[in-house]
Amino acid sequence: SQQGEEDPQALSIQEGENATMNCSYKTSINNLQWYRQNSGRGLVHLILIRSNEREKHSGRLRVTLDTSKKSSSLLITASRAADTASYFCATDTDKLIFGTGTRLQVFP
Amino acid sequence: NAGVTQTPKFQVLKTGQSMTLQCAQDMNHNSMYWYRQDPGMGLRLIYYSASEGTTDKGEVPNGYNVSRLNKREFSLRLESAAPSQTSVYFCASSESDRHSGNTIYFGEGSWLTVV
Repeated sequence: SQQGEEDPQALSIQEGENATMNCSYKTSINNLQWYRQNSGRGLVHLILIRSNEREKHSGRLRVTLDTSKKSSSLLITASRAADTASYFCATDTDKLIFGTGTRLQVFP
Repeated sequence: NAGVTQTPKFQVLKTGQSMTLQCAQDMNHNSMYWYRQDPGMGLRLIYYSASEGTTDKGEVPNGYNVSRLNKREFSLRLESAAPSQTSVYFCASSESDRHSGNTIYFGEGSWLTVV
């Protein structure tokens, strides 16, 4: 199935550093979404980027989309320990298909 | 405003037993979903309901049935549980009756173990 593949699978950084997660997908999409999941909790929507957009910002989050390379990235700037979570991209055609996620650990 | 509420939070079943996961949303959303989450597999859509009175299969519907009881409630039933159905189940909803382009709001999950 068309599924976003996140890279890396796991990422460990210090507070204050930037965290970059990448998502690659296989076929054309309408939109791409990023979600966050704290351990033992449900997913929470972070941001949606449409196929005709190249970059989008929300607070400390910056998402880029390159439809020619079929890839997206999520950048979290000045990370905090509270950003520790798993992050999922979801490719959006007529259905939303989630990737396997990147586990981010931010050490104080 | 509770959002999406699902019960039970935890359940252990014996192989062959049946059970129903309950889900309700208080956001007046049209669409509701059931996903399962397994290690290394991400979230996979089991069934969804684009509007009251309709249900459709997702990626992994085998072994499950659903009921859209009314606009608020969407239940997932395991008729004869199998160990392969050990997973974390998430109910979710979205405002539009189209899956695409919608923000999905998730419940907190139900941890199901089948022994």
